[in-house]
Amino acid sequence: AQSVTQPDIHITVSEGASLELRCNYSYGATPYLFWYVQSPGQGLQLLLKYFSGDTLVQGIKGFEAEFKRSQSSFNLRKPSVHWSDAAEYFCAVVPDSGAGSYQLTFGKGTKLSVIP
Amino acid sequence: SQTIHQWPATLVQPVGSPLSLECTVEGTSNPNLYWYRQAAGRGLQLLFYSVGIGQISSEVPQNLSASRPQDRQFILSSKKLLLSDSGFYLCAWSKGRTYEQYFGPGTRLTVT
Repeated sequence: AQSVTQPDIHITVSEGASLELRCNYSYGATPYLFWYVQSPGQGLQLLLKYFSGDTLVQGIKGFEAEFKRSQSSFNLRKPSVHWSDAAEYFCAVVPDSGAGSYQLTFGKGTKLSVIP
Repeated sequence: SQTIHQWPATLVQPVGSPLSLECTVEGTSNPNLYWYRQAAGRGLQLLFYSVGIGQISSEVPQNLSASRPQDRQFILSSKKLLLSDSGFYLCAWSKGRTYEQYFGPGTRLTVT
């Protein structure tokens, strides 16, 4: 079955440290890929997206993500984490099925805690 | 710019009572609209989506229903709530074939 996997349920990092959140997908074709962030009790905010082209994409708030087809991964990174980055992060995929479906399939999320 | 509103923000309802959650989008026309439910540790579950007025697709069979009476209005309803309907409900919109979705602030529903 097609799926999106975020292997880490909870990650804790120190403020100023680097961050990498993992996302793997199981779709055969090249999907459209997204990362969203959710602060407690809030809606989701789009951080960045990948459709095609350069496999390293830049997003808001200093985040970037790299698409690696060989590993079916789209990992999110940030070189220096700020306390305000503490939130839950969701990877999402639209399969490039061409069927006209606009649905997103979400991973179960990774909760990020930041130690001052 | 586009904005999306949801209300109420918080709702506590007894089992068996009806439900109506509303979502409206401003600043765009003919958006695709979505209802998601988020339960702790389970990510987001797509409940309904709509590509136009009166066009509703259901993803999960349940006692919830959705309607789109106007272009930028999406309503989630239930005639009789179950305990299992508790959760955080999110509305989202997207435009045409752009795929990225933009989310509202959500409604926290607690069924007691």
